[in-house]
Amino acid sequence: SAVISQKPSRDICQRGTSLTIQCQVDSQVTMMFWYRQQPGQSLTLIATANQGSEATYESGFVIDKFPISRPNLTFSTLTVSNMSPEDSSIYLCSTRQGNQPQHFGDGTRLSIL
Amino acid sequence: GEDVEQSLFLSVREGDSSVINCTYTDSSSTYLYWYKQEPGAGLQLLTYIFSNMDMKQDQRLTVLLNKKDKHLSLRIADTQTGDSAIYFCAESVQTGANNLFFGTGTRLTVIP
Repeated sequence: SAVISQKPSRDICQRGTSLTIQCQVDSQVTMMFWYRQQPGQSLTLIATANQGSEATYESGFVIDKFPISRPNLTFSTLTVSNMSPEDSSIYLCSTRQGNQPQHFGDGTRLSIL
Repeated sequence: GEDVEQSLFLSVREGDSSVINCTYTDSSSTYLYWYKQEPGAGLQLLTYIFSNMDMKQDQRLTVLLNKKDKHLSLRIADTQTGDSAIYFCAESVQTGANNLFFGTGTRLTVIP
């Protein structure tokens, strides 16, 4: 399976600022996804990152708050904009190649003060 | 919508078997997955089963699927302290779906 690297692994940010999380895959993959895991909760899909076009967002998530880029088949970024304490979560990148299962990165642990 | 449920906690003694249960509501599920999340880590795919299968075994792991009752279980034989983690059940409802629906996760604690 692909090796997925996320940066940063963790960060502590001030409210009102923005943070961009990077996801790098060691091979080309068809699909890339971004999930949020709030403290003590399960995973919720934020959006599907589409290569060369706008991401597809799930209900409750909007582009202004979570802009996503995917310039090629091995890289994507998620920005968490204008952060508030409610955005404190783990943000996970995942990939899927064809009909294979999704694989996940180690996540970015984000705390907002 | 899809609803995947798990019990929140499970404690077992080292060397015993662990059984983690999951129920789901969507009868059109095609694949069901088990992921493991260790402290401070992301999700690791443990195993998965296609919906037309009843059982899958992989070393210490046995997955049982009762499609009629929409019940999935993960049995870990000879549980070790390194198995302590959160285990997530997840389903996809069509082949190549863009989304997985995750259960709430079961925190397994292995007592030495």
